[in-house]
Amino acid sequence: QVQLVESGGGVVQPGRSLRLSCAASGFTFSTYGFHWVRQAPGKGLDWVAVIWSDGTNKYYADSVKGRFTISRDDSKNMLYLQMNSLRAEDTAVYYCARDVRSSSSNYFDYWGQGTLVTVSS
Amino acid sequence: QSVLTQPPSVSAAPGQKVTISCSGSGFNIGNNYVSWYQQLPGTAPKLLIYDNNKRPSGIPDRFSGSKSGTSATLGITGLQTGDEADYYCGTWDSSLSTDVVFGGGTKLTVL
Repeated sequence: QVQLVESGGGVVQPGRSLRLSCAASGFTFSTYGFHWVRQAPGKGLDWVAVIWSDGTNKYYADSVKGRFTISRDDSKNMLYLQMNSLRAEDTAVYYCARDVRSSSSNYFDYWGQGTLVTVSS
Repeated sequence: QSVLTQPPSVSAAPGQKVTISCSGSGFNIGNNYVSWYQQLPGTAPKLLIYDNNKRPSGIPDRFSGSKSGTSATLGITGLQTGDEADYYCGTWDSSLSTDVVFGGGTKLTVL
Protein backbone atom coordinates (compact mmCIF):
# COMPACT_ATOMS: atom_id res chain seq x y z
CA GLN A 1 0.00 0.00 0.00
CA VAL A 2 1.04 3.61 -0.52
CA GLN A 3 3.03 5.00 2.39
CA LEU A 4 4.67 8.36 2.95
CA VAL A 5 6.70 8.77 6.13
CA GLU A 6 8.21 12.11 7.09
CA SER A 7 11.15 12.61 9.40
CA GLY A 8 13.67 15.26 10.36
CA GLY A 9 11.53 17.62 12.37
CA GLY A 10 12.58 19.08 15.69
CA VAL A 11 13.37 22.24 17.60
CA VAL A 12 15.71 24.67 15.86
CA GLN A 13 16.81 28.22 16.58
CA PRO A 14 15.82 31.11 14.32
CA GLY A 15 18.21 31.53 11.42
CA ARG A 16 19.34 27.90 11.49
CA SER A 17 18.67 25.13 8.98
CA LEU A 18 16.83 21.83 8.97
CA ARG A 19 16.27 19.14 6.34
CA LEU A 20 13.05 17.17 6.23
CA SER A 21 12.77 13.80 4.53
CA CYS A 22 9.83 11.83 3.22
CA ALA A 23 10.27 8.12 2.54
CA ALA A 24 7.86 6.69 -0.01
CA SER A 25 6.86 3.09 -0.63
CA GLY A 26 4.16 1.00 -2.26
CA PHE A 27 4.18 2.69 -5.67
CA THR A 28 6.48 3.79 -8.50
CA PHE A 29 7.98 6.90 -6.92
CA SER A 30 9.59 8.33 -10.06
CA THR A 31 6.28 8.73 -11.89
CA TYR A 32 4.75 11.16 -9.38
CA GLY A 33 5.22 14.73 -8.28
CA PHE A 34 5.18 15.63 -4.61
CA HIS A 35 4.31 18.54 -2.41
CA TRP A 36 5.19 19.81 1.02
CA VAL A 37 2.21 21.30 2.88
CA ARG A 38 2.47 22.74 6.38
CA GLN A 39 0.05 23.48 9.17
CA ALA A 40 0.89 25.90 11.95
CA PRO A 41 -0.51 25.00 15.38
CA GLY A 42 -4.27 25.53 15.36
CA LYS A 43 -4.23 26.89 11.80
CA GLY A 44 -5.20 25.69 8.34
CA LEU A 45 -3.27 24.05 5.54
CA ASP A 46 -0.54 26.12 3.88
CA TRP A 47 1.02 24.93 0.62
CA VAL A 48 4.83 25.15 0.66
CA ALA A 49 6.40 23.63 -2.45
CA VAL A 50 5.99 21.14 -5.29
CA ILE A 51 8.41 19.13 -7.38
CA TRP A 52 7.19 17.48 -10.54
CA SER A 53 8.04 13.94 -11.55
CA ASP A 54 10.75 15.20 -13.89
CA GLY A 55 12.59 16.64 -10.90
CA THR A 56 13.23 19.85 -12.82
CA ASN A 57 10.03 21.81 -12.32
CA LYS A 58 9.85 23.17 -8.79
CA TYR A 59 7.60 25.87 -7.38
CA TYR A 60 7.47 27.55 -4.00
CA ALA A 61 5.14 29.64 -1.89
CA ASP A 62 6.27 33.25 -1.73
CA SER A 63 6.76 32.91 2.02
CA VAL A 64 9.54 30.34 1.59
CA LYS A 65 11.01 31.25 -1.80
CA GLY A 66 14.78 31.67 -1.59
CA ARG A 67 14.95 29.93 1.81
CA PHE A 68 13.51 26.45 1.16
CA THR A 69 14.55 23.94 -1.49
CA ILE A 70 12.57 20.89 -2.51
CA SER A 71 14.39 17.93 -4.04
CA ARG A 72 14.00 14.23 -4.70
CA ASP A 73 16.14 11.11 -5.05
CA ASP A 74 14.32 8.62 -7.23
CA SER A 75 16.96 5.95 -6.56
CA LYS A 76 16.03 6.04 -2.88
CA ASN A 77 12.31 6.88 -3.19
CA MET A 78 12.94 9.95 -1.09
CA LEU A 79 11.60 13.50 -1.07
CA TYR A 80 13.39 16.29 0.79
CA LEU A 81 12.82 19.81 1.99
CA GLN A 82 15.92 21.82 2.87
CA MET A 83 14.87 24.71 5.09
CA ASN A 84 17.34 27.54 5.64
CA SER A 85 17.11 30.84 7.52
CA LEU A 86 14.24 29.49 9.57
CA ARG A 87 11.83 31.90 11.21
CA ALA A 88 9.37 31.57 14.07
CA GLU A 89 6.53 31.68 11.56
CA ASP A 90 7.85 28.49 9.94
CA THR A 91 6.79 26.56 13.04
CA ALA A 92 4.34 23.94 11.82
CA VAL A 93 3.65 20.31 11.12
CA TYR A 94 5.08 19.58 7.68
CA TYR A 95 3.32 17.00 5.50
CA CYS A 96 4.53 15.46 2.28
CA ALA A 97 1.75 14.61 -0.16
CA ARG A 98 1.61 12.81 -3.49
CA ASP A 99 0.51 14.86 -6.47
CA VAL A 100 -2.04 13.84 -9.07
CA ARG A 101 -2.48 16.33 -11.89
CA SER A 102 -3.80 16.84 -15.39
CA SER A 103 -4.54 19.89 -17.50
CA SER A 104 -6.98 21.43 -15.04
CA SER A 105 -6.97 19.01 -12.13
CA ASN A 106 -4.52 18.90 -9.27
CA TYR A 107 -4.99 17.15 -5.97
CA PHE A 108 -3.15 15.21 -3.26
CA ASP A 109 -4.20 11.59 -3.07
CA TYR A 110 -1.92 10.44 -0.24
CA TRP A 111 -0.44 12.29 2.71
CA GLY A 112 2.21 11.41 5.24
CA GLN A 113 1.60 11.61 8.99
CA GLY A 114 3.61 14.83 9.31
CA THR A 115 6.69 15.98 11.20
CA LEU A 116 6.73 18.92 13.60
CA VAL A 117 9.18 21.75 13.14
CA THR A 118 9.49 24.25 15.98
CA VAL A 119 11.56 27.37 15.45
CA SER A 120 12.37 28.91 18.78
CA SER A 121 15.30 30.35 20.67
CA GLN B 1 -6.17 35.32 4.70
CA SER B 2 -6.93 32.32 2.48
CA VAL B 3 -7.53 32.66 -1.25
CA LEU B 4 -10.54 30.36 -0.96
CA THR B 5 -13.26 31.29 1.54
CA GLN B 6 -14.93 28.70 3.77
CA PRO B 7 -17.19 29.18 6.79
CA PRO B 8 -15.17 28.68 9.98
CA SER B 9 -17.67 26.24 11.42
CA VAL B 10 -20.85 24.32 10.73
CA SER B 11 -22.88 22.02 12.93
CA ALA B 12 -25.75 19.58 12.66
CA ALA B 13 -27.29 16.68 14.53
CA PRO B 14 -26.47 13.01 13.88
CA GLY B 15 -28.35 11.69 10.87
CA GLN B 16 -28.84 15.14 9.39
CA LYS B 17 -27.25 16.70 6.31
CA VAL B 18 -24.73 19.52 6.18
CA THR B 19 -23.10 21.49 3.40
CA ILE B 20 -19.78 23.34 3.43
CA SER B 21 -19.15 26.07 0.90
CA CYS B 22 -15.90 27.13 -0.73
CA SER B 23 -15.84 30.42 -2.60
CA GLY B 24 -13.13 31.57 -4.97
CA SER B 25 -12.69 33.39 -8.24
CA GLY B 26 -12.25 32.84 -11.93
CA PHE B 27 -8.53 32.41 -11.37
CA ASN B 28 -9.01 29.34 -9.23
CA ILE B 29 -12.33 27.54 -8.76
CA GLY B 30 -13.85 29.09 -11.86
CA ASN B 31 -11.40 27.39 -14.18
CA ASN B 32 -10.07 24.39 -12.28
CA TYR B 33 -11.26 21.27 -10.52
CA VAL B 34 -11.79 21.38 -6.76
CA SER B 35 -10.73 18.80 -4.20
CA TRP B 36 -11.81 18.35 -0.58
CA TYR B 37 -9.83 16.99 2.37
CA GLN B 38 -10.97 15.70 5.73
CA GLN B 39 -8.71 16.11 8.74
CA LEU B 40 -9.81 14.20 11.80
CA PRO B 41 -8.44 15.48 15.12
CA GLY B 42 -4.74 14.82 15.50
CA THR B 43 -4.35 13.18 12.10
CA ALA B 44 -3.12 14.06 8.62
CA PRO B 45 -5.51 15.33 5.95
CA LYS B 46 -7.19 12.72 3.77
CA LEU B 47 -8.55 13.08 0.25
CA LEU B 48 -12.34 13.09 0.30
CA ILE B 49 -13.40 14.45 -3.08
CA TYR B 50 -11.42 15.19 -6.24
CA ASP B 51 -12.28 16.69 -9.63
CA ASN B 52 -15.26 18.49 -8.06
CA ASN B 53 -17.39 15.43 -7.41
CA LYS B 54 -15.43 12.19 -7.58
CA ARG B 55 -14.87 10.01 -4.54
CA PRO B 56 -11.69 7.96 -4.05
CA SER B 57 -12.11 4.29 -3.35
CA GLY B 58 -13.30 3.73 0.21
CA ILE B 59 -15.04 7.07 0.66
CA PRO B 60 -18.75 6.45 1.35
CA ASP B 61 -21.38 8.00 -0.88
CA ARG B 62 -22.61 10.05 2.09
CA PHE B 63 -19.94 12.50 0.93
CA SER B 64 -20.56 14.45 -2.27
CA GLY B 65 -19.10 17.43 -4.07
CA SER B 66 -20.37 19.95 -6.56
CA LYS B 67 -19.20 23.10 -8.29
CA SER B 68 -20.98 26.03 -9.86
CA GLY B 69 -19.14 28.99 -11.28
CA THR B 70 -16.60 30.18 -8.74
CA SER B 71 -17.98 28.21 -5.78
CA ALA B 72 -17.84 24.61 -4.67
CA THR B 73 -19.81 22.72 -2.08
CA LEU B 74 -19.14 19.63 0.01
CA GLY B 75 -22.22 17.75 1.19
CA ILE B 76 -22.39 15.18 3.93
CA THR B 77 -25.56 13.21 4.60
CA GLY B 78 -26.43 10.84 7.42
CA LEU B 79 -24.03 12.63 9.76
CA GLN B 80 -22.11 10.51 12.23
CA THR B 81 -20.11 11.57 15.25
CA GLY B 82 -17.05 10.19 13.47
CA ASP B 83 -17.49 12.89 10.82
CA GLU B 84 -16.41 15.57 13.29
CA ALA B 85 -13.34 17.01 11.62
CA ASP B 86 -11.88 19.96 9.78
CA TYR B 87 -12.67 20.09 6.07
CA TYR B 88 -10.56 21.93 3.49
CA CYS B 89 -11.15 22.75 -0.15
CA GLY B 90 -8.24 23.11 -2.56
CA THR B 91 -7.53 23.95 -6.19
CA TRP B 92 -5.06 25.56 -8.57
CA ASP B 93 -4.77 29.33 -8.79
CA SER B 94 -3.44 30.77 -12.03
CA SER B 95 -3.16 34.33 -10.74
CA LEU B 96 -0.49 33.57 -8.21
CA SER B 97 3.04 32.32 -8.42
CA THR B 98 1.99 29.44 -6.21
CA ASP B 99 0.69 26.06 -7.27
CA VAL B 100 -2.16 25.05 -4.99
CA VAL B 101 -4.40 27.13 -2.76
CA PHE B 102 -6.55 25.96 0.15
CA GLY B 103 -9.55 27.30 1.93
CA GLY B 104 -9.17 28.28 5.55
CA GLY B 105 -10.95 25.15 6.70
CA THR B 106 -14.34 24.44 8.25
CA LYS B 107 -14.80 22.76 11.61
CA LEU B 108 -17.74 20.36 11.52
CA THR B 109 -19.42 19.65 14.84
CA VAL B 110 -21.93 16.83 15.06
CA LEU B 111 -24.12 17.82 17.97
